[in-house]
Amino acid sequence: AQKVTQAQTEISVVEKEDVTLDCVYETRDTTYYLFWYKQPPSGELVFLIRRNSFDEQNEISGRYSWNFQKSTSSFNFTITASQVVDSAVYFCALSGFRFDYKLSFGAGTTVTVRA
Amino acid sequence: EAGVTQFPSHSVIEKGQTVTLRCDPISGHDNLYWYRRVMGKEIKFLLHFVKESKQDESGMPNNRFLAERTGGTYSTLKVQPAELEDSGVYFCASSQELGKTEAFFGQGTRLTVV
Repeated sequence: AQKVTQAQTEISVVEKEDVTLDCVYETRDTTYYLFWYKQPPSGELVFLIRRNSFDEQNEISGRYSWNFQKSTSSFNFTITASQVVDSAVYFCALSGFRFDYKLSFGAGTTVTVRA
Repeated sequence: EAGVTQFPSHSVIEKGQTVTLRCDPISGHDNLYWYRRVMGKEIKFLLHFVKESKQDESGMPNNRFLAERTGGTYSTLKVQPAELEDSGVYFCASSQELGKTEAFFGQGTRLTVV
């Protein structure tokens, strides 16, 4: 069985602060994929990143960065110098080796960035 | 290029009524998925179509839910009769090729059963 846990329900920060979202996963697959999605107030789920289990390199994309640690089964997401437009619900998700988008999602973390 | 489109965006119905949700995937995408998020909980997989065939419907909660994808284009998800616990946001996603391409999600349909 696969499980994704996002322990933080809500995070509130002031603009320009950094915010880190935690994601811990459980899987028996040796090959799997991890994802982060953003759900802005408009409702759609916006793909942010996909990472396979063999690639433990951290990744940076603009103000976003991801820290994948297989040893602790974690795939954490950091927003640096947060902006009001970053306010959204963020979901971490996991799929099996088939990469068939049968995703297991966490419950989501609501991020509020105050001006 | 149009994204994944879902209709309606909101629906409020009474317990016992029938509701049909529609999803129009991105043109040319053979794979179509339905997911559901009950308030405050995780988003859960419902089923997966490849063209018009149901590839995996292991997430469908019970036989009150019926999904179809006639002709392999748009899909409908019917709930009959609706119960209070069916309230939530129903998401649809589509992808072009399994294992190779990203899936795109629609904006969801918020269903409220009163």
